[in-house]
Amino acid sequence: DSGVTQTPKHLITATGQRVTLRCSPRSGDLSVYWYQQSLDQGLQFLIHYYNGEERAKGNILERFSAQQFPDLHSELNLSSLELGDSALYFCASSVGYGDSEQYFGPGTRLTVT
Amino acid sequence: GQQLNQSPQSMFIQEGEDVSMNCTSSSIFNTWLWYKQEPGEGPVLLIALYKAGELTSNGRLTAQFGITRKDSFLNISASIPSDVGIYFCAGPTGFQKLVFGTGTRLLVSP
Repeated sequence: DSGVTQTPKHLITATGQRVTLRCSPRSGDLSVYWYQQSLDQGLQFLIHYYNGEERAKGNILERFSAQQFPDLHSELNLSSLELGDSALYFCASSVGYGDSEQYFGPGTRLTVT
Repeated sequence: GQQLNQSPQSMFIQEGEDVSMNCTSSSIFNTWLWYKQEPGEGPVLLIALYKAGELTSNGRLTAQFGITRKDSFLNISASIPSDVGIYFCAGPTGFQKLVFGTGTRLLVSP
C-alpha cells in the first residue's frame, strides 16, 4: 500500500458526460501528479500540482482539468468524454517539488461507452 | 509522447531462474526509476538510481545506472511466482514529470 488513495476504483459512463476522479496523496506529500495509462500510449504524464498550484502540464486535453485543494487532495475533471478517453487514470504523489520518487495510487479505470 | 525503450517486451521463465531486462533512451537522464505493476494495481516503486554507474539492490532485485546515462538495467535473481508483473523503467524530464518505458512483461512458471 503506497498510502495514495484514489476513488472511484471503476467508473462507467457514456460519451459526452463529465466525471471527476479524486486522489488523496500520502500524508506529508505536497506534490500530486496525474497520469493516464492506455494500451496504445502506455503511461503518460498529464499534470503536476505542488502545494495547490499547477506546476507542469503534459499532453493533457483541453477537455481535462485538475485542481489541488488546501487539504492537498486533488481532483481530475474529464468532460465531453469520448470513447478514446477510456483508460486507467493514476495519481501519484511525492514529498516535495523536485522529487523524482513518485508513489502511485491504485488507479481509476474509466470506461466510456 | 516520448517513451523509453525496454527489452525484452516479454519473458516467460521458470521459477528459480535469473532475469535481466534493460531500458534505453536517446536522451540523458540524471535519475532512473524502476517500477513494477501488477494487474489492476498502480505501479510500485522498486529502485531509484541517481548516479551514473550506480548499482543498487532491493532484496533479489539489482538495478544499474548505465555509465552513458542513456540506459539502465534491472536484474532479478532466483525468480519466484510473485515476481509476475510488468516492469517499467522511468526517468524524470523537466519539473519531475516521469517518462515511462514500454514495459517488460514477466511471467514465471512454478
